Amino acid sequence: DQQVKQNSPSLSVQEGRISILNCDYTNSMFDYFLWYKKYPAEGPTFLISISSIKDKNEDGRFTVFLNKSAKHLSLHIVPSQPGDSAVYFCAASDTGTASKLTFGTGTRLQVTL
Amino acid sequence: DTGVSQNPRHKITKRGQNVTFRCDPISEHNRLYWYRQTLGQGPEFLTYFQNEAQLEKSRLLSDRFSAERPKGSFSTLEIQRTEQGDSAMYLCASSLLQIGDTEAFFGQGTRLTVV
Repeated sequence: DQQVKQNSPSLSVQEGRISILNCDYTNSMFDYFLWYKKYPAEGPTFLISISSIKDKNEDGRFTVFLNKSAKHLSLHIVPSQPGDSAVYFCAASDTGTASKLTFGTGTRLQVTL
Repeated sequence: DTGVSQNPRHKITKRGQNVTFRCDPISEHNRLYWYRQTLGQGPEFLTYFQNEAQLEKSRLLSDRFSAERPKGSFSTLEIQRTEQGDSAMYLCASSLLQIGDTEAFFGQGTRLTVV
């Protein structure tokens, strides 16, 4: 039972354009959401998070949007850069914190020149 | 202290052998987590500690898996009688409860191959 779903296994975007990565969840008890970036042979790196009491959080080029009624969140990267090419994981928790995360299967982002 | 450290980075073992992995968290972090990641999947939560107390272990995959954090600092994950299905990346993460536990920082992982 996949409680966090990333339905797009891959995404290709031109440098300078917007990248939009999507994530859906089924567990209504999830109250804290995070995005991680992963390069090959490295552990996941934290990017940005959002609590369920918010619907938007921004940090530089990264913005996360949360639509609780649709159980959907998205990560926007503007502008996309070649160094953003990586696998992006959506994660969720029902503890209000970053503990006991449930991850999606990831989306591979390729930013082309 | 530059981050979460895991050793070894790679481990190849024969089926039936026991293996132990070590994780050194960020020094002031009081929470420590173990995850497993298989090919094409996201990390899967296994267990976590707050200081030396293991707060959840129900997600450990079988009774062949055990974890310890004896002094609330480093942690070990042991797999007994390894099986080929145990081949995966084992990730450790840590976080600090006092600042709201809003980020978990991951190590580079230990890749286990059971032959």
